[in-house]
Amino acid sequence: QQQVKQSPQSLIVQKGGISIINCAYENTAFDYFPWYQQFPGKGPALLIAIRPDVSEKKEGRFTISFNKSAKQFSLHIMDSQPGDSATYFCAASMDTGRRALTFGSGTRLQVQP
Amino acid sequence: KAGVTQTPRYLIKTRGQQVTLSCSPISGHRSVSWYQQTPGQGLQFLFEYFSETQRNKGNFPGRFSGRQFSNSRSEMNVSTLELGDSALYLCASSRDRAGYGYTFGSGTRLTVV
Repeated sequence: QQQVKQSPQSLIVQKGGISIINCAYENTAFDYFPWYQQFPGKGPALLIAIRPDVSEKKEGRFTISFNKSAKQFSLHIMDSQPGDSATYFCAASMDTGRRALTFGSGTRLQVQP
Repeated sequence: KAGVTQTPRYLIKTRGQQVTLSCSPISGHRSVSWYQQTPGQGLQFLFEYFSETQRNKGNFPGRFSGRQFSNSRSEMNVSTLELGDSALYLCASSRDRAGYGYTFGSGTRLTVV
């Protein structure tokens, strides 16, 4: 019930291409869905987040698409750059109960020049 | 503004010992959470403190404990260390709601030998 499933595990994209990472959740009580970016030796950094009352949110080259009925959300990275090479985590939380973030398993993105 | 500061960055301990990790949140952030990150289990929630009180707790044994001081600084303690406790321990802070707008520190890399 608390799980967030993330795919793919790893992704190789050419510079300038679109990177797409998908997540699915079960618990309909989740009401906050952030994406984090983590570089080696660093903690995760908040990239972009969305609430379920919105179907899409865009910040620069990063877009979250949210499908409430399918209980899925995805991260799109447009014009991917080598500097985007990192591990990306989706997550979800709710405003009741535990309220902590439940993370996906992570996607290692490699953008080739 | 200063980010979340975790000390020490690296730690090597012997099985059976205990360890204390420290976290200084962003000024004004009252919620401090701790996560364990391992290659096998990913990011797992340990506990959250708010106004010196443990507000939420993950599924970890009682050997893992924490506390928060009046200035919001937090410490976590692991007693009777096991080899499986080797991990990156991450602290995250937010203004109020756990998980919402988290800022993570760079973590403490604990190695148990």
